[in-house]
Amino acid sequence: DGGITQSPKYLFRKEGQNVTLSCEQNLNHDAMYWYRQDPGQGLRLIYYSQIVNDFQKGDIAEGYSVSREKKESFPLTVTSAQKNPTAFYLCASRLEPTNTEAFFGQGTRLTVV
Amino acid sequence: QKEVEQDPGPLSVPEGAIVSLNCTYSNSAFQYFMWYRQYSRKGPELLMYTYSSGNKEDGRFTAQVDKSSKYISLFIRDSQPSDSATYLCATPAFSGSARQLTFGSGTQLTVLP
Repeated sequence: DGGITQSPKYLFRKEGQNVTLSCEQNLNHDAMYWYRQDPGQGLRLIYYSQIVNDFQKGDIAEGYSVSREKKESFPLTVTSAQKNPTAFYLCASRLEPTNTEAFFGQGTRLTVV
Repeated sequence: QKEVEQDPGPLSVPEGAIVSLNCTYSNSAFQYFMWYRQYSRKGPELLMYTYSSGNKEDGRFTAQVDKSSKYISLFIRDSQPSDSATYLCATPAFSGSARQLTFGSGTQLTVLP
């Protein structure tokens, strides 16, 4: 089955730690995205990548980092610089950046303890 | 001003009711509009998309765009408890050199049996 796989589903982080969220897709999509979702705020774009080895900051990139070494993979690192990391993180992909439909993974719930 | 504004709800209706979900957008150049459905703790899935003005129907769902008032709506006929979810409107908006999906904040719908 083609799709986007995010792991883990739940993640707990101690303050001051960096953590990495995994996103893998087997849809052969060029464009990949990371969104953050907080209650009542919809989806906010963190980073996006249109091709391998290239990525751009979104609206709320501070405290986050990404890499795009392979077409299938777009991991997100939440660094200790992110002041309020507790949120639901969603990875998405599109066939190409101008395509309309985005496909989403099932999300990772990150909680700082 | 946000590019897409959505009635936050929450909205609670009895089974069988007609549901109207609404968004407004700021830029008259936007042409594609999407509705995503998101069940609790899951990733959003594309429900419908429309281009330019007019209506699009798919089973019990109708998406409507009124470009003159920059208003988009999703109507659900004969609503079912399984329709209980958060509904997000979205449109591709320019961010730097690429079109990124910009989402409304979502409307949480509960259909009571």
